[in-house]
Formats: sequence, C-alpha cells, structure tokens
Amino acid sequence: KNQVEQSPQSLIILEGKNCTLQCNYTVSPFSNLRWYKQDTGRGPVSLTIMTFSENTKSNGRYTATLDADTKQSSLHITASQLSDSASYICVVSVGEKYGNKLVFGAGTILRVKS
Amino acid sequence: DTAVSQTPKYLVTQMGNDKSIKCEQNLGHDTMYWYKQDSKKFLKIMFSYNNKELIINETVPNRFSPKSPDKAHLNLHINSLELGDSAVYFCASSRREGGNSPLHFGNGTRLTVT
Repeated sequence: KNQVEQSPQSLIILEGKNCTLQCNYTVSPFSNLRWYKQDTGRGPVSLTIMTFSENTKSNGRYTATLDADTKQSSLHITASQLSDSASYICVVSVGEKYGNKLVFGAGTILRVKS
Repeated sequence: DTAVSQTPKYLVTQMGNDKSIKCEQNLGHDTMYWYKQDSKKFLKIMFSYNNKELIINETVPNRFSPKSPDKAHLNLHINSLELGDSAVYFCASSRREGGNSPLHFGNGTRLTVT
C-alpha cells in the first residue's frame, strides 16, 4: 500500500534554531518527492521537488534530502524565523503508468517561538 | 494577481442543500484539481481535469460533480450536502498532469454543514 509517514507530528523550536523534519515512504514505483509548506488558513505552497537522481535540493533556508534506497527524505530548516510556523507536508508521486497519483503525508506542524 | 483563486472562502449551509465552489487559475496551466482536506489534515484528490477533460475521478460520491467550462476554471457542485462533507476544499492547478510540475493551490474553501 502506498503510504507516506512524517515525523514528528508536531515540533516547537526557538527562533534562530535549526530543525529537521522526516518523511518515510513506501510508494512504488517512485516518481518524485515534494515538500510543501501550508500556513494556517492557506493552501500548500511548493518548496522543493526531487526526482530519483537528486539527493539534495535547497530553496533559501530550506534544504531537502532524499535517500531513494532507504525511501527517506528530510527537510532541514536553517536559522528558523517566526514565519516558518506552518504545517510541512511531504508528498510522493507514484510513477507515470499509474497516472501520477500523489500520496500525501499528514504533515508536521512546526511552531517557531520567540 | 492571485494565481489560483477560489470562492467562497467560507461556506456554512444546512444538510440537504446544494452548493457550488468556484475556482479560477490565471497561470495558463492545463491541469486543474479538487482536493479535500479533512480534520486530520490529510489532503485527498477528488478530481483532476486536463484541458477540460476529466482524467481522475477518485472514489467520490456522485453528489459531487465538477464542471470545467474552460481550462482556466474548474467549479465543484455538491448536491444534497451531508454532515460528513464538512472539510476544507482546495482547488489546485499544474502545468501538466504528472511529471515534475508543482501544484499551485488556492487558499481553500471551508465548508461547514449543519
């Protein structure tokens, strides 16, 4: 069964600190892995998309890693800001011949406090 | 200059009523989607349209009917609303279905059925 699991479920950190969010998946065949940021009351916004051949991708203070062998990804946030408080959703795309279904994780709720 | 806009933002209605949610994208994308986000925050695909043609129709009650008058619009009509329909509904678009195209989401419509 195609599944995406994220940990931790929620996280509180102090402004300026770094943090890492985890994503494990059992999707097959794998097409790509995406990280989205969802602010409260808003729609998700794409942060990164990584294919099988990419093992790291950055978007400003956000760096995503992908280990396709262990089927794990992480999202590292550097020097956190209050505006980073949001839900971070890991999404894995199932391969082309299956109609490119996206399998969503439940998200990690991050709260950055001053 | 909103990329994907959906209206209304909030919708409160009684069981048995019929309601519509409108969505428009000005990104020139070929593919549009409707997602449902339940109380556990999982996003689930409901429908996917490519150039006005239905390409994904997940297991959704036939009380839900999408309508795409042109490729920039994908409206969602819901008949005989039930309590379990209460959720946040997100419209999204992408350059094409599948591949590495990121999804661009609207800010959601919170539907409450009483």
